[in-house]
Amino acid sequence: AQTVTQSQPEMSVQEAETVTLSCTYDTSENNYYLFWYKQPPSRQMILVIRQEAYKQQNATENRFSVNFQKAAKSFSLKISDSQLGDTAMYFCAFMKSSGGGADGLTFGKGTHLIIQP
Amino acid sequence: AAGVIQSPRHLIKEKRETATLKCYPIPRHDTVYWYQQGPGQDPQFLISFYEKMQSDKGSIPDRFSAQQFSDYHSELNMSSLELGDSALYFCASSFVGGFGYTFGSGTRLTVV
Repeated sequence: AQTVTQSQPEMSVQEAETVTLSCTYDTSENNYYLFWYKQPPSRQMILVIRQEAYKQQNATENRFSVNFQKAAKSFSLKISDSQLGDTAMYFCAFMKSSGGGADGLTFGKGTHLIIQP
Repeated sequence: AAGVIQSPRHLIKEKRETATLKCYPIPRHDTVYWYQQGPGQDPQFLISFYEKMQSDKGSIPDRFSAQQFSDYHSELNMSSLELGDSALYFCASSFVGGFGYTFGSGTRLTVV
């Protein structure tokens, strides 16, 4: 079984600052995917960024980037030039890659990110 | 773009009643997933279906059952409801083996 740990229950930064959310995971799988999902007050689950474990290059999506350290089983999310709309709960998630199956996600407990004006 | 449609958006049931939640995936998506998110909790994976067959199973109670129909929509049936079943229930869809999937807006179930 996999576990995902987010050690920061809540973080608060000023608008335009850069913030990094931490995530570590534990698995015996060799092939897997990692994700960051955002859940704003509307409770909608929104995919922010995703990473395939076999790729060494860190994924980037506009202001969002990850630092994926496979050996350390670490997958942190960096948000640059933070905006008020980034205020949300952020969940780190793990999915094993079973080669064609419909596998479920294992989520961390989440980090509540607050962007202050 | 079409999204994952869930109905109803809100549902209030009494203890021991039965509830049915519906999910309509994004067109051409062949895989459906169900998640339960309790208040202040992370989403918990319940079950998934690919091509109308159960694919993966998580922490779904025996009182719950689900299926995927020929048009790929899915229904989650919940019987003998308990107060602890009060939660936000998400459906998501993807292509099988997809690299990340799209969530619906959820159904908020309140058991009183």
